[in-house]
Amino acid sequence: DVKVTQSSRYLVKRTGEKVFLECVQDMDHENMFWYRQDPGLGLRLIYFSYDVKMKEKGDIPEGYSVSREKKERFSLILESASTNQTSMYLCASSTDFRGGLAKNIQYFGAGTRLSVL
Amino acid sequence: GQQVMQIPQYQHVQEGEDFTTYCNSSTTLSNIQWYKQRPGGHPVFLIQLVKSGEVKKQKRLTFQFGEAKKNSSLHITATQTTDVGTYFCAGLYYYTGTASKLTFGTGTRLQVTL
Repeated sequence: DVKVTQSSRYLVKRTGEKVFLECVQDMDHENMFWYRQDPGLGLRLIYFSYDVKMKEKGDIPEGYSVSREKKERFSLILESASTNQTSMYLCASSTDFRGGLAKNIQYFGAGTRLSVL
Repeated sequence: GQQVMQIPQYQHVQEGEDFTTYCNSSTTLSNIQWYKQRPGGHPVFLIQLVKSGEVKKQKRLTFQFGEAKKNSSLHITATQTTDVGTYFCAGLYYYTGTASKLTFGTGTRLQVTL
């Protein structure tokens, strides 16, 4: 079974703090993604990575950065947290190279609910 | 950039009634996927449609992909309380030769009462 693990389920931070959200997957997937989920807005892509040390901006990258030093780990960084970054953050991984049903499917972690006060 | 719209945003049905959610993309899709997110949970993959006009069934769920590969629908027959959750469509786009990403729709939240 694919497992995507996010380091925290709930996090409370203060405005201006630097925040690290960690994600680890155990399926040797090439692709990893960070989304934020807000009511009525669905899942919006922040950043993604298709290889170690590679990163691509998603639809809403402002205020965020990412790091992928190892294939299994993808970190989301809020350089200076703001109240409008209060949200649910979801990490996902996928592979493009296996045949059949497994290809391109995204597997999600349980999510981190971040509150910025 | 790609946009995927989904309607309705919310639907409340009585158990046993049917339910449909619709998904429209601003551009032609390589394929479309559907995910379900239970309350308090994370999105879980349901199905992937690849071919123009494709129809797939999973028990009471019927998924369709439009002829132009720009729209899709999910229909649930005779809903049950276990169907409660938010249903997302997601369009697959290739940003390099093989690497892909999904653009998710806004989701439809389904509430089912007895």
